Amino acid sequence: DTAVSQTPKYLVTQMGNDKSIKCEQNLGHDTMYWYKQDSKKFLKIMFSYNNKELIINETVPNRFSPKSPDKAHLNLHINSLELGDSAVYFCASSQGTSPNTGELFFGEGSRLTVL
Amino acid sequence: GDSVTQMEGPVTLSEEAFLTINCTYTATGYPSLFWYVQYPGEGLQLLLKATKADDKGSNKGFEATYRKETTSFHLEKGSVQVSDSAVYFCALGGSGTYKYIFGTGTRLKVLA
Repeated sequence: DTAVSQTPKYLVTQMGNDKSIKCEQNLGHDTMYWYKQDSKKFLKIMFSYNNKELIINETVPNRFSPKSPDKAHLNLHINSLELGDSAVYFCASSQGTSPNTGELFFGEGSRLTVL
Repeated sequence: GDSVTQMEGPVTLSEEAFLTINCTYTATGYPSLFWYVQYPGEGLQLLLKATKADDKGSNKGFEATYRKETTSFHLEKGSVQVSDSAVYFCALGGSGTYKYIFGTGTRLKVLA
């Protein structure tokens, strides 16, 4: 009964393709996030949604488009994949938007490899 | 802007050794401070946190004290085990922002 689940766990694709990663949380949280972790383990926030509203949109190429159909789901679509997009993408959720009160719960990650 | 600096890894220790992983931060306002741990092949999970100066967070034998005067939140454990091998991330949050700011992570390897 996974709290934050992502699919797929592994994704291998060619440059130029379009791919999506899906995330679902069953914790009843109202805030969800996408993080990118590079090969050196550096973790960078990409997007965050609170109750389906975009509240964090970092400097990310517009080939990346998040979508939150409801507060339990946050998907990430990537167009025209490039070699540099290879990374592990983590979905996370928290209750509330304030890090002072909300712990982040992470999914297991989706490892994207672009060839 | 806000930032977190952690010691570079990897840190390699023998079982039962004492562990310190240094973390310092720069922030406006009064952030909360966190340590997250990432075991191989898994997502990050909260290890401990402190929400104000002089608070001590502790969990599973790990502890860290929020030191405002030195802007530090060093992670310590008195006796590490092989099962503690993981990547440890220091993070801050709050300070009027929605964002958590993570450090670069420190890999710990404990040898039997």
